[in-house]
This record gives sequence, C-alpha cells and structure tokens, in this order.
Amino acid sequence: NAGVTQTPKFRVLKTGQSMTLLCAQDMNHEYMYWYRQDPGMGLRLIHYSVGEGTTAKGEVPDGYNVSRLKKQNFLLGLESAAPSQTSVYFCASSYRVFLERTYEQYFGPGTRLTVT
Amino acid sequence: EDQVTQSPEALRLQEGESSSLNCSYTVSGLRGLFWYRQDPGKGPEFLFTLYSAGEEKEKERLKATLTKKESFLHITAPKPEDSATYLCAVQAPMNSGYSTLTFGKGTMLLVSP
Repeated sequence: NAGVTQTPKFRVLKTGQSMTLLCAQDMNHEYMYWYRQDPGMGLRLIHYSVGEGTTAKGEVPDGYNVSRLKKQNFLLGLESAAPSQTSVYFCASSYRVFLERTYEQYFGPGTRLTVT
Repeated sequence: EDQVTQSPEALRLQEGESSSLNCSYTVSGLRGLFWYRQDPGKGPEFLFTLYSAGEEKEKERLKATLTKKESFLHITAPKPEDSATYLCAVQAPMNSGYSTLTFGKGTMLLVSP
C-alpha cells in the first residue's frame, strides 16, 4: 500500500514551459486535492476533485489546470510556467465527506518546482 | 473569511521541557479541526481530528484539545524526534456544499537534547 505518490519529485522549468504533475493514490479515496506550500504562506488549495471526471477551483487556481480521468489519478498542469509558480506542490486524498462526517486528508511527499 | 492563526511561529525546547502550541480559528460551521506534523522535505502527516469543544485526543507525548475558539497541542516531555513543523487546519462548508481545509502557517518546533 503506497498511499499517495507524486511524480516527479523535483523539476526545473524555464519561464513559458509547460509541465504536468502526476498524483496517484491506492486507497480508493473519492476526493483528491492539489496544494502549494510557500514560505510564510502555509498550504493553499489550488484545485480539488470530488470524483472521477469532476474538478473545482480552490483558493489559488490561476495558471493551473487539472484533470481527473481516473479515480486514482489527479493531474496538475502548468501551461505556461511563471517564476511565481516556484513552490512545493502537494497532492492529497480523502474519503468522501458524507452526512457531516469529516475525513482526514493523506498527503504525498511533494514535488519541488523551480521556474527560472 | 475563515482564518486560522498558529502561535508561536517557532518554539525551541529542551528535551523533557513540556509546552503547548496554539491554533486560533474563526470559522462558521466548524466540521473538524485537524493537526498534522510535517518533517523537512516531506508531506504533512495526519495526527488528530477534533470535532467539538471539550474533546481531547492523545498520541504518545501529544495531546490535542479543542474549545470554541482555539485548539492546543500539548507536548509532554518532548524528545528530539518530536522536532517538526506542526500544522493546524479547519474544515468548514463552502458555498458549493463541499468542505475543504484551511491551514495555518504552522509552528516550527525544535527539541534539543
């Protein structure tokens, strides 16, 4: 049981380049999330998905796109990278919130992205 | 707007010196308050969920408590391996009906031998 995995672990991009970050989970979780973590800012939600084929915007969605074609995978895309997107990106997953029940999120190890 | 404030930003303790970390929150319709531990270069690791005022949960040297306005993470007789950043997060309903987490900026704890 690998939990939540992220690919790649590190990446350096030049301004204007594009890339896709892959998140995979093997816990059969319905919900998946993408966060970015910056010094002094804490974790901020970029996009999330409550099920296969559905996505929604979080707190800081501009400059990112996501797709959830399969339940176990959640992709984060940067179409035209900017230096402001230099950050550590975390994927997380959780069970579906149902009848007020709250479930904890499980996080991946992160992807460190530098845009020059 | 939901807010989560953690204090102090950093805390240095001697091994065995007990202390508490604070998480103050303002949120409408709290569904849960979460504590996570994050080691350098790693993703956050889940510790506790608290649902209602008065609730307490314990795990080894850690005990989390919750009031209507804040949560405390008490660390009893800490060891160097307790050194990490501790994150607090609250879950509240969004207008869409779904709930997401709002995180505080964390408290960096360093325990010296």
